Amino acid sequence: QVQLVESGGGLVKPGGSLRLSCAASGFLFNDYYMSWIRQAPGKGLEWLSYISSSGTTIYYADSVQGRFTISRDNAENSLYLQMNSLRAEDTAVYYCARGQLLWGYWGQGTLVTVSS
Amino acid sequence: EIVLTQSPGTLSLSPGERATLSCRASQSVRSTYLAWYQQKPGQGPRLLIYGASSRATGIPDRFSGSGSGTDFTLTISRLEPDDFAVYYCQQYDISLTFGGGTKVEI
Repeated sequence: QVQLVESGGGLVKPGGSLRLSCAASGFLFNDYYMSWIRQAPGKGLEWLSYISSSGTTIYYADSVQGRFTISRDNAENSLYLQMNSLRAEDTAVYYCARGQLLWGYWGQGTLVTVSS
Repeated sequence: EIVLTQSPGTLSLSPGERATLSCRASQSVRSTYLAWYQQKPGQGPRLLIYGASSRATGIPDRFSGSGSGTDFTLTISRLEPDDFAVYYCQQYDISLTFGGGTKVEI
C-alpha cells in the first residue's frame, strides 16, 4: 500500500535551516508529482511546493519562495524540502503528499518548531 | 489568490443526522476545480471529493459534493461515528488554497 513517511523535523532557531525528507513506498515514485503542505498548530492547511515526476517543473507558494527548495531522488524514492532562513511563522507540521493539484495520499507529518 | 471561506466553523450534530458544510470562494472557481478533505487528529488529510462532486476512491456514498462558481457544499447524509472530524475545502483553479475548515463534532 502507499506509504509516505516524513522525517527531519525538530527545534531550530530563527534564521536557521532544516532539511525534511519523505520516504515513499508502495507505488512507482518516479511516475508522480509530489508536494509539500504544512499546517501551523491549530490552524488550516497551506500548500508550499510541488515538483514534477522528473524534477524539472517546480512551483512554490509566495510565502516560501526563495527560502525553501524542493527536490527529489527517484532512485531513492525520496522527496526533500530544504528550509533556510526559518521564521517563527514557519512553525508547523509539514506533510508530504502525492500529487500536483490534488493529494490522494499524505504522510503523517513531521513537526518543525522555530523558536529561540 | 482565491480565498475560501468555510462555514460554520463548528457543527454540533449526532450520529445519524445530516451534515451540510459550506465553502464560499472569493471569486469564481473555474471548471469546478474544488476538492474536499477530511482530517482527524494526528493524521494527514484524506481526499473525499474532487471536481466539486466526484467521490475519491473508496469514499462511501453518504459523502456528496455539489456547487459551482463561488458556492460549494459538502453533504454527509447520515453521520457515522467515524465522520466526526475537521473538513477542508481546497481550490486548484488559481494557485492552490484551502479553506479554514469546519469541525464536525458530536
